[in-house]
Amino acid sequence: AQSVSQHNHHVILSEAASLELGCNYSYGGTVNLFWYVQYPGQHLQLLLKYFSGDPLVKGIKGFEAEFIKSKFSFNLRKPSVQWSDTAEYFCAVEGYSSASKIIFGSGTRLSIRP
Amino acid sequence: NAGVTQTPKFQVLKTGQSMTLQCAQDMNHEYMSWYRQDPGMGLRLIHYSVGAGITDQGEVPNGYNVSRSTTEDFPLRLLSAAPSQTSVYFCASRGLAGNTGELFFGEGSRLTVL
Repeated sequence: AQSVSQHNHHVILSEAASLELGCNYSYGGTVNLFWYVQYPGQHLQLLLKYFSGDPLVKGIKGFEAEFIKSKFSFNLRKPSVQWSDTAEYFCAVEGYSSASKIIFGSGTRLSIRP
Repeated sequence: NAGVTQTPKFQVLKTGQSMTLQCAQDMNHEYMSWYRQDPGMGLRLIHYSVGAGITDQGEVPNGYNVSRSTTEDFPLRLLSAAPSQTSVYFCASRGLAGNTGELFFGEGSRLTVL
């Protein structure tokens, strides 16, 4: 069975700082990887996804993530954060032979100081 | 286009009571799932279904039942509510064609068990 670890529980940054949120997964096969965002009071929405091909994927709102297979990692990055990026971020993994179920990490709360 | 609709949005139960959380989607998605979200624990998969008549257990299935009699509906039943089931519940669906579908979430149902 697959699992996901997000080691940063709460990250506090100032506006214009660079962001990197860690995500490591455990699964003995091919995976699809996702980052979702949950803004305060809202439901989850997709930021970006990796299925195959270029390991550097770009998503909405200037976010990107890099899949490093040898490290079982899929870290989320943004060069310059804005106050509106304040939200909770979830990494998720789907194992190819896991009957399509998607497992989420525990989330990272991002707070941006204006 | 309604997407994923959950009802009720809020519910208070007493220990031992039963209830059903309703979930309906109008996107003809094969895959439907239920997650619970608790502070510091992210989203945990309760049950999921890859089509009408097919259901399977996720990470935390105990205390919950599901059924999938139609493509559109995936109700979650609590047979005897416990305080540990106090949580926010999210229903999510996705298309499985090409194995590239993102999850679409409902707005959540906040359940309190006294």
